Order: sequence, then C-alpha cells, then structure tokens
Amino acid sequence: GAGVSQSPSNKVTEKGKDVELRCDPISGHTALYWYRQSLGQGLEFLIYFQGNSAPDKSGLPSDRFSAERTGGSVSTLTIQRTQQEDSAVYLCASGDNLGLYGYTFGSGTRLTVV
Amino acid sequence: QKEVEQNSGPLSVPEGAIASLNCTYSDRGSQSFFWYRQYSGKSPELIMSIYSNGDKEDGRFTAQLNKASQYVSLLIRDSQPSDSATYLCAVTGKRGTALIFGKGTTLSVSS
Repeated sequence: GAGVSQSPSNKVTEKGKDVELRCDPISGHTALYWYRQSLGQGLEFLIYFQGNSAPDKSGLPSDRFSAERTGGSVSTLTIQRTQQEDSAVYLCASGDNLGLYGYTFGSGTRLTVV
Repeated sequence: QKEVEQNSGPLSVPEGAIASLNCTYSDRGSQSFFWYRQYSGKSPELIMSIYSNGDKEDGRFTAQLNKASQYVSLLIRDSQPSDSATYLCAVTGKRGTALIFGKGTTLSVSS
C-alpha cells in the first residue's frame, strides 16, 4: 500500500477483555515496529520484526502483550486481559533496509480501556 | 539503559526567527539519528536524518550531529506558525535495532 495502515483507528474496550490491533505495512518494507504513546508521553518501543528473523520483544511490558507478523507483511498486536494503564495510542511503523533510513508511521490505534 | 533526552519545552519563538532544538543520547555506539515532527493528535513524521558528524541541511531545516559530545540538534530557520508541533529526537544503535525516542520538545511559533 501507499502508507502504513492501522485498524481500528479507535477502540474502546472493557477492562479484562482481549483486543487485537492490526498493522499493514508499506509493501516491500521488511522492518515493522510497534510503539505506544501515552497521553503527553514519548514513544515507548514494544516489539520489532525484521524479515524472517526472530522478533525483538524486549519492549513488551508484560506477558499480556504479544504480536505476530504473518507472511512477512501484516502484523497483529494482541493485548490480553486489558487494564486501564494499557490505554494509549498504539503506533505501527515500517521501514526498509533494517530501518536504517527511518520509519514511516501509521495513523495509530487509540485504545481506551474503561 | 539507553536514553534520549530532550528539553520538553515549550520553546516559543516569533515568526521568522530561528528555532533551536537539542537532544542528547547515552549510547556512544549509536549510529543513526532522526528528527520527527508530530502535530497534536497525529502520528510522527520523519523530517531529517543524519548519520555522520557535522551539519545536514534540507530547506529550512538543519540537523547537526556531534558524536563526541553525544549531541544532536535541529535548527529551523524562518520559523512559521505551521512549524508549531512536538519534535521528537530518535536514535538507533547497532544495525537492525529499533529507534529509541526522546519525549519530544514542543515548539510554538507565534505570528
């Protein structure tokens, strides 16, 4: 696609429910990243996929968070048993050449846990 | 822990002035450096990248890198009200690692 596409753009969920956030990167980009941004805060790295290599999961805040990337393209971030502190904007980005030339971000998914 | 530090601001400058945004980083092995602009309610947009010591100019923007001092800066000449946004400094270490972002500096340009 022309840009990084994320869905849904907004998600309101009840505490304790599971949610899935989707990211469709720019075609041909081998690197895919998930970040989250809480209100008034910077970007917090969550997970990084590069080609067929094992993902870098070092930023995942707890075992309630997981992500997969199918066929080297679309990625899904899953949050199980959501908590209010999970409320944030979840941003996906993709890049080529290991992301050495910077990333392009999607428009994000605003998650609100009530 | 690898960190990227920025003054949160707000930095206020009049229209037409030069805005100077600064960033320091802790990982001496960092190799790639970026500036992103983020308008309120929008996602970050890449505006500048720099990889070697010195200055890099692109239109009204100049990025400066000093690896010895672990310091990156962004100069915006002839600032416009449309430049009002939060500017995020981002740094990556060895090849293939994810960008680490600073918390951003909010710039306000008054007309």
